[in-house]
Amino acid sequence: SQQGEEDPQALSIQEGENATMNCSYKTSINNLQWYRQNSGRGLVHLILIRSNEREKHSGRLRVTLDTSKKSSSLLITASRAADTASYFCATIGTGGFKTIFGAGTRLFVKA
Amino acid sequence: GAGVSQSPSNKVTEKGKDVELRCDPISGHTALYWYRQSLGQGLEFLIYFQGNSAPDKSGLPSDRFSAERTGGSVSTLTIQRTQQEDSAVYLCASSSQPQGIVGETQYFGPGTRLLVL
Repeated sequence: SQQGEEDPQALSIQEGENATMNCSYKTSINNLQWYRQNSGRGLVHLILIRSNEREKHSGRLRVTLDTSKKSSSLLITASRAADTASYFCATIGTGGFKTIFGAGTRLFVKA
Repeated sequence: GAGVSQSPSNKVTEKGKDVELRCDPISGHTALYWYRQSLGQGLEFLIYFQGNSAPDKSGLPSDRFSAERTGGSVSTLTIQRTQQEDSAVYLCASSSQPQGIVGETQYFGPGTRLLVL
């Protein structure tokens, strides 16, 4: 399978610090997305990076993609308590495979 | 317009009973997904509908699980003879683009939290 796997599983930081989460996957992809989930409810799409892109920014978010290593990272800069949530990467494989979500990283930002 | 809605928000049932979970996707979205998320876990794909095509049921864990999508809009996930291990949050998502298309973004509903006693 091409399941994405995030690490760390959990991360606790102080407000103002940067948070970095990593995602690895197994097969070729069309694109990779990061989602955020608050309190075990619906996921919210954060950012999409295509397979031919290496880095993408959106506000305080920075995503990198290394297709040779089959990995991606999500960096949240100057974290806030409101960033406390679970973050999931999702991959869509080439050939139209289904979107596969990883197990997520639980981020806790202490005020 | 409104986002994806799901009902009920919470459902408590007894083991062996049947339950129906409803999803109203965003109007005009042709793709609809059901996922299951156990406590503290990632999303487990269940089923995918795209337009009038036959659904991808490859993620359904057993024949007790079934889903329908009527008129290309509302979907119902049915779990028959519920078991305690069915307890989870069931999430529905819709997308304006077919699965696998570059740029596909899924919009999630708030989920239904199912507890089987």
